[in-house]
Amino acid sequence: QVQLVESGGGVVQPGRSLSLSCVASGFNFRDYGMFWVRQAPGKGLEWVALISYDGSQRYYVDSLRGRFTVSRDNSKNSLYLQVNTLRPDDTAVYYCAIDGGERWGRGTLVVVSS
Amino acid sequence: SYDLTQPSSVSVSPGQTAKITCSGDFLTRKYARWFQHKPGQAPVLLILRDTERPSGIPDRFSGSASGATVTLTISGAQVEDEAVYYCYAPADNNRVFGGGTTLTVL
Repeated sequence: QVQLVESGGGVVQPGRSLSLSCVASGFNFRDYGMFWVRQAPGKGLEWVALISYDGSQRYYVDSLRGRFTVSRDNSKNSLYLQVNTLRPDDTAVYYCAIDGGERWGRGTLVVVSS
Repeated sequence: SYDLTQPSSVSVSPGQTAKITCSGDFLTRKYARWFQHKPGQAPVLLILRDTERPSGIPDRFSGSASGATVTLTISGAQVEDEAVYYCYAPADNNRVFGGGTTLTVL
């Protein structure tokens, strides 16, 4: 069955960088656009970034453009999110999902704290 | 702008019908989706293309659309339907979620 498994979260100090990964299985990963969504504590879902099926197109929420970079490796069925210059308000559960939200991972928690 | 507005909360008694609305100007030209999100779980797609229900979703969940507003209807709400519900729509090169509606069934 379709599975998306995120990893890479943890506790990180403000100003540092972090790379999140999402491994896909159970479907033809290379045929689908993918996105990252986050949920800060007590807040709603926030779309973060989108990447096309072949990685040629990447889009970001305006407020995060420049610090976040989405990428993928179709040979490894993997999606990535590089987050630079982390801030406390980046604390959230980060989910990967097929574009459109047909399937989601269970998320990985990022806590930005000194 | 690409904003989707939902009520923050809706309450119903078990067996009653719950309606959750979502408004946004660009919904007149984009299809909306609805997601159910329970704590500690992955969001679940309930409705796509305003009114279509994916396989496996109970038929008590339905969607409708009128102008710039879409509505999620839960007919005969059950205690297990307590969750946060989000509308969602693509907006050119962005993706937009509504603020979420907490459904209480008690």
